[in-house]
Amino acid sequence: QQQVKQSPQSLIVQKGGISIINCAYENTAFDYFPWYQQFPGKGPALLIAIRPDVSEKKEGRFTISFNKSAKQFSLHIMDSQPGDSATYFCAALGTGNQFYFGTGTSLTVIP
Amino acid sequence: KAGVTQTPRYLIKTRGQQVTLSCSPISGHRSVSWYQQTPGQGLQFLFEYFSETQRNKGNFPGRFSGRQFSNSRSEMNVSTLELGDSALYLCASSPLNAGATDTQYFGPGTRLTVL
Repeated sequence: QQQVKQSPQSLIVQKGGISIINCAYENTAFDYFPWYQQFPGKGPALLIAIRPDVSEKKEGRFTISFNKSAKQFSLHIMDSQPGDSATYFCAALGTGNQFYFGTGTSLTVIP
Repeated sequence: KAGVTQTPRYLIKTRGQQVTLSCSPISGHRSVSWYQQTPGQGLQFLFEYFSETQRNKGNFPGRFSGRQFSNSRSEMNVSTLELGDSALYLCASSPLNAGATDTQYFGPGTRLTVL
């Protein structure tokens, strides 16, 4: 059973557009929600993360929106660039320091 | 600082064989976690080691095992390989623990193909 559900599976956005990736979870014990970016041939790298006591966190062009009541969180990439083309994973930290990952979203930004 | 290194990068085995993968964490990091990455399932947590002790274990069969050495280097072993074990195996290290206070730094992974 997938603890964190991520959508869409793939996304194509024009350069300068906004990319939005959504994740949902059921376990209310999750208390830390990172997003990872992975380029081909590389391991995932932490992009941005949020705790449930905050509804939004912004770092440069990347913003996490968090809706605790709906148990959903999303990644927004503003002014998307071709260099942002990668696979993005959401994750949630549960009890026992175990991370649960979404299935990933392949983002392609068209020049 | 050098990043997380994993060896080998690519591996081809046949069903029934066993395999050992190696991970060298970032210098000074004491926690090492292992993940299996497949297209349909994303990243699945295998186990985490800290100071040579397994602290957490995911929902994988006993064919998957690991260990950590005193220098924090870690190995994972898969015995009696099955076709479904074909995946990218990722290692991640953290300074103290894999919890919220520490970032996990991932290696490039070992691509295992089971024929």
